[in-house]
Amino acid sequence: AQKVTQAQTEISVVEKEDVTLDCVYETRDTTYYLFWYKQPPSGELVFLIRRNSFDEQNEISGRYSWNFQKSTSSFNFTITASQVVDSAVYFCALRRSNYQLIWGAGTKLIIKP
Amino acid sequence: ETGVTQTPRHLVMGMTNKKSLKCEQHLGHNAMYWYKQSAKKPLELMFVYNFKEQTENNSVPSRFSPECPNSSHLFLHLHTLQPEDSALYLCASSQENGPSGGALETQYFGPGTRLLVL
Repeated sequence: AQKVTQAQTEISVVEKEDVTLDCVYETRDTTYYLFWYKQPPSGELVFLIRRNSFDEQNEISGRYSWNFQKSTSSFNFTITASQVVDSAVYFCALRRSNYQLIWGAGTKLIIKP
Repeated sequence: ETGVTQTPRHLVMGMTNKKSLKCEQHLGHNAMYWYKQSAKKPLELMFVYNFKEQTENNSVPSRFSPECPNSSHLFLHLHTLQPEDSALYLCASSQENGPSGGALETQYFGPGTRLLVL
């Protein structure tokens, strides 16, 4: 079965705290891509990162970092020194060798000032 | 205009109305998608067009009718909708390697149309 699980429905932290959003996936494919998207209240899904199944290097982009571990089928997302503008719903997604993106349910992140 | 644009941003319609949603991508991509996002449900892929050919139709009711006149424009024609069709409709585009797809390219999304069916 192909599945993406984001077990954290909602996370609330105070500004400047670090926060990690969890993503666990299931697939039998050997080739696949993992994605993170951000959806602010305006509704648009903003692409954050794509990682292919052969590249387990962690990635850092400013305050954002991603930890991909095939051994645990996880692709976690950490925001360092969170800011109010980071408040949004974050989606993890898995793409196989067709057009289908399998989406997690999303994690609503609330950053309080 | 850059990226993926959608119009209108908000739409209220009665069950007997006919309306159309429009999507335009300015990224030079060759594949376009319609998604439905309902409250408390995962995103649902509705239609895929690759090289202007419809390649996916995920059991969408016939009251939703897509049209892709060229690789930059995608429409979703709506008629006799039901209240449960109220949702955020998102358009996306990507650059695929060929008509049969197979590439694992990133999809870029528009801002969506919030549809309310009364």
